[in-house]
Amino acid sequence: NAGVTQTPKFRILKIGQSMTLQCAQDMNHNYMYWYRQDPGMGLKLIYYSVGAGITDKGEVPNGYNVSRSTTEDFPLRLELAAPSQTSVYFCASRAGTGGNEQFFGPGTRLTVL
Amino acid sequence: QQQVKQSPQSLIVQKGGISIINCAYENTAFDYFPWYQQFPGKGPALLIAIRPDVSEKKEGRFTISFNKSAKQFSLHIMDSQPGDSATYFCAAKAGANNLFFGTGTRLTVIP
Repeated sequence: NAGVTQTPKFRILKIGQSMTLQCAQDMNHNYMYWYRQDPGMGLKLIYYSVGAGITDKGEVPNGYNVSRSTTEDFPLRLELAAPSQTSVYFCASRAGTGGNEQFFGPGTRLTVL
Repeated sequence: QQQVKQSPQSLIVQKGGISIINCAYENTAFDYFPWYQQFPGKGPALLIAIRPDVSEKKEGRFTISFNKSAKQFSLHIMDSQPGDSATYFCAAKAGANNLFFGTGTRLTVIP
């Protein structure tokens, strides 16, 4: 079991560029999440999904998009990168009914210059 | 608006001492209160969690104390070790809804 995997680990973008952060889990979890972590701010929820084909906005969705075509994958898309999107991004998953624990990936450190 | 307020922001404790991190909330619908531990360069991992029907839960050196009337809960780390140095996040959620995280506490345990 690889758990939750994220790629890339690091990325530097120029303002206005776009990119996709990849997230995959092999635990057959229904729920998947994207968070951003900024110093002193904790973890803020960007988007989440309760199953394939179903996504919804979290606290800070502006500037991001997601899709969930399979149970395993939950990519996060940045269309027009801005310096305010410089952050560490974490993907997480949980089983769903009866399973409260969220399992986190190792994170992607993104810098927008 | 921060749904879960966490303090202190940073904490330095001597090896063998007790580390205490506090969290407070307002939403009385919250019914699940986990603590996550995060080491540098890693994602957070669940450490211990409690539901509001109990006032304390202990797992090894880690204890959650829960005060429902005060809407506060805290993490106590007994006999703190240098290996406990990490960032700790409290969180809360209501039913099937999403987790709200505190802002984190960076714990440093000095030998």
